[in-house]
Amino acid sequence: AQRVTQPEKLLSVFKGAPVELKCNYSYSGSPELFWYVQYSRQRLQLLLRHISRESIKGFTADLNKGETSFHLKKPFAQEEDSAMYYCALGDAGGYNKLIFGAGTRLAVHP
Amino acid sequence: DTAVSQTPKYLVTQMGNDKSIKCEQNLGHDTMYWYKQDSKKFLKIMFSYNNKELIINETVPNRFSPKSPDKAHLNLHINSLELGDSAVYFCASSHFTNGNEQFFGPGTRLTVL
Repeated sequence: AQRVTQPEKLLSVFKGAPVELKCNYSYSGSPELFWYVQYSRQRLQLLLRHISRESIKGFTADLNKGETSFHLKKPFAQEEDSAMYYCALGDAGGYNKLIFGAGTRLAVHP
Repeated sequence: DTAVSQTPKYLVTQMGNDKSIKCEQNLGHDTMYWYKQDSKKFLKIMFSYNNKELIINETVPNRFSPKSPDKAHLNLHINSLELGDSAVYFCASSHFTNGNEQFFGPGTRLTVL
């Protein structure tokens, strides 16, 4: 079954500390993985996708097919990174169906 | 503003009532979606329409009926509301050829009493 697992509901760190938000997936085909973010009082928006291999707002995520993971990392967290982060799996055979994880709330304290 | 908009933002109603939520996008997208976010913040696809045609229907009770009068609109009508329907409903849109980059509306918080 296609599934996305984000094991942490809440990740609490201090400003300047490294951050890693975990995401594991279960998918039989060739996966497309994404991270979406929802800042307080804002809409859910795309943060980054594994295909582009880019760094957005200092965040990176590497697809590890062996471990079926797509963890989101940032070396030095900032207070403005506090938000809800969702890992999502694109089902290529399912007409653009996105399967979301349960989300992890990142709280960055001063 | 170029965006996905939803109305109303909040909806409080009694069990058994029928209600609708409207969604409009002015991004020129051809595909629109409805998601349900439950109290645990879990976000799940309900429906997707491409060019006014239903392409995803995720075992949603038939009390929920989406309607797409044109590519820019996807409304959600819910009959005989139940307590378990209480959630935040998000509309989203995308280009079909880039369907994994979806643009979300602000959400509609539905509370069924």
